[in-house]
Amino acid sequence: AAGVIQSPRHLIKEKRETATLKCYPIPRHDTVYWYQQGPGQDPQFLISFYEKMQSDKGSIPDRFSAQQFSDYHSELNMSSLELGDSALYFCASSWTGNTEAFFGQGTRLTVV
Amino acid sequence: QKEVEQNSGPLSVPEGAIASLNCTYSDRGSQSFFWYRQYSGKSPELIMSIYSNGDKEDGRFTAQLNKASQYVSLLIRDSQPSDSATYLCADLFTSGTYKYIFGTGTRLKVLA
Repeated sequence: AAGVIQSPRHLIKEKRETATLKCYPIPRHDTVYWYQQGPGQDPQFLISFYEKMQSDKGSIPDRFSAQQFSDYHSELNMSSLELGDSALYFCASSWTGNTEAFFGQGTRLTVV
Repeated sequence: QKEVEQNSGPLSVPEGAIASLNCTYSDRGSQSFFWYRQYSGKSPELIMSIYSNGDKEDGRFTAQLNKASQYVSLLIRDSQPSDSATYLCADLFTSGTYKYIFGTGTRLKVLA
């Protein structure tokens, strides 16, 4: 069965650079969620989209922005990267007819 | 106070025993709860969802929900070393929008 696809899987950036993370939800899923997970921590909600509109916003820095495109894929743009942004970034998707959310494999971002 | 609370563990059980993982939540209006399993460096994997008071069984896993006590649990029967992972409890917030709020996770070690 098709799963949530994230790219890239690994990314190394320098401080103050910009990074773009991509997420391709499961086909027919209409909701996408972004989470940040630091070492030894639980996933922290960043932002979500439903039907290409921003649905909810969590503890997402102003340096980050995201959008969902017409094909339902989503991109998380991170600018002026800081060392503290180093983390695993997960995307999850769900369908409003079924509240179960499924996660992608994640992008490991390392800021040096 | 976190919206979803879990004991971080580690919880150690011998192989073949029953592992019992617990979670409490603060939002009395919450209706949907999920258990995810996460291996180190990997993405959360959905194990069970539960929406109604009582028990829900799936193979070796049983989820229990008590809305009056705001308590969710996961029982793993016949625990195997491969069950060793962090188990995340998640609550689906639906106050206008959808977002999944995670507990800090309980680290389970199954000893061979």
